[in-house]
Amino acid sequence: SHDLTQPLSVSVALGQTARISCEGYDIGDKHVHWYQQRPGQGPLVVIYRDSNRPSAIPARFSGSHSGDTASLTITGAQAGDEADYYCQVWNITTAIFGGGTKLTVL
Amino acid sequence: EVQLVETGGGLIQPGKSLRLSCAVSGFIVSNNYMTWVRQTPGKGLEWVSVIYSNANTYYADSVKGRFTISRDSAKSTVYLHMNSLRVDDTAVYYCARANKVAAPWGHLDYWGPGTLVIVSS
Repeated sequence: SHDLTQPLSVSVALGQTARISCEGYDIGDKHVHWYQQRPGQGPLVVIYRDSNRPSAIPARFSGSHSGDTASLTITGAQAGDEADYYCQVWNITTAIFGGGTKLTVL
Repeated sequence: EVQLVETGGGLIQPGKSLRLSCAVSGFIVSNNYMTWVRQTPGKGLEWVSVIYSNANTYYADSVKGRFTISRDSAKSTVYLHMNSLRVDDTAVYYCARANKVAAPWGHLDYWGPGTLVIVSS
């Protein structure tokens, strides 16, 4: 199975660092992508292929991947970062999404 | 500018069929990997289907045998034909492009705004 497990929710104080994990059996050889979804909007990629950031995404977003765990880190979280975050991998011909993590910025 | 716009959603009875369309601009549909992803209101994202640039198609187990993805290059449109609809197919359906770098396993770099399908009697 390649289910991806994320924490249901993560809270972070304004300006502090938030980390969201994504665990999956045997994802060590797969690229992990991360999407942000604000309320009422469609998803937006914030990190692709483990640690690459699209040019339009702020530098406070970063990603890492080691073995069966990938992580999305937001350094200096802002109020506008409050959203749902999903990790995703491809398992040969199918895409798998994590269950999503609701990030709350306090 | 790359744009994707889904249409065709609405209220439909269980057992009926519906066709969703995804009109794209800014790139050539047949040169790309196009996917459908759905989201039940208040729930997470669920991958539905992909069509490769070579026209190979793949489906989630939950829709296999009922849904068909296709494309019309002349119309720059990707379709999702949905048959034998069930109540649990109710969702917002998004069309998204998979980035060609590291294809076919690229990230979904462009998404449409989604179209809502409600399956109810």
